[in-house]
Amino acid sequence: EVQLVESGGGLVQPGRSLRLSCAASGLTFSRYEMNWVRQAPGKGLEWVSYISTSGSTLYYADSVRGRFTISRDNTKNSLYLQMNSLRAEDTAVYYCATGAYYYDSGSSSPNFDYWGQGTLVTVSS
Amino acid sequence: QAVVTQEPSLTVSPGGTVTLTCGSSTGAVTSGHYPYWFQQKPGQAPRTLIYETTNKHSWTPARFSGSLLGGKAALTLSGAQAEDEAEYYCVLSYSGVRWAFGGGTKLTVL
Repeated sequence: EVQLVESGGGLVQPGRSLRLSCAASGLTFSRYEMNWVRQAPGKGLEWVSYISTSGSTLYYADSVRGRFTISRDNTKNSLYLQMNSLRAEDTAVYYCATGAYYYDSGSSSPNFDYWGQGTLVTVSS
Repeated sequence: QAVVTQEPSLTVSPGGTVTLTCGSSTGAVTSGHYPYWFQQKPGQAPRTLIYETTNKHSWTPARFSGSLLGGKAALTLSGAQAEDEAEYYCVLSYSGVRWAFGGGTKLTVL
């Protein structure tokens, strides 16, 4: 059974930092591209960031570029999101979600097949 | 950054048919935007229903289908059931693996 388990959320003051983790099991993590997606309370989904399988290619939403850093450790089957200079508008549930999986044949699986249950980040003084 | 638009809310009668749409501020939505559709119920993570415009997962009920319609991506529900009441989101790809979600459609089955 595939499981993605986020952790590291909590209450943090504006301007401070927080690091989220996503622990993956039941899948070959190193072959999946990965994403972070967030959802502010009562609001819609917002794509935050993407990382390639090797970690060499990174993309960010305009709203977090320069403040957030995505990374991964394939030896630990883990995905991370370092969040700096946090703002009230970063308050949200943060989900990790799989991207594409690339087969040896070169074909790929769909994106967003698997999601974690999310971790809540609250930015408030 | 592109803006993806969805109907804020729709209502469908039990057994009825409804179509949700997903538009892009940059122009017509095409298969090159690789549209996905998600269902989200309160307190739950999103679940993918449709990927890359028309494709269903093994867990996707047959009553859901995806298409392109009038320059938008579309999700059609035929034979609505009470359990289909949920929030539905689309997402479009811009420049590869950069994604933009729509604001969501709250679907009421009534």
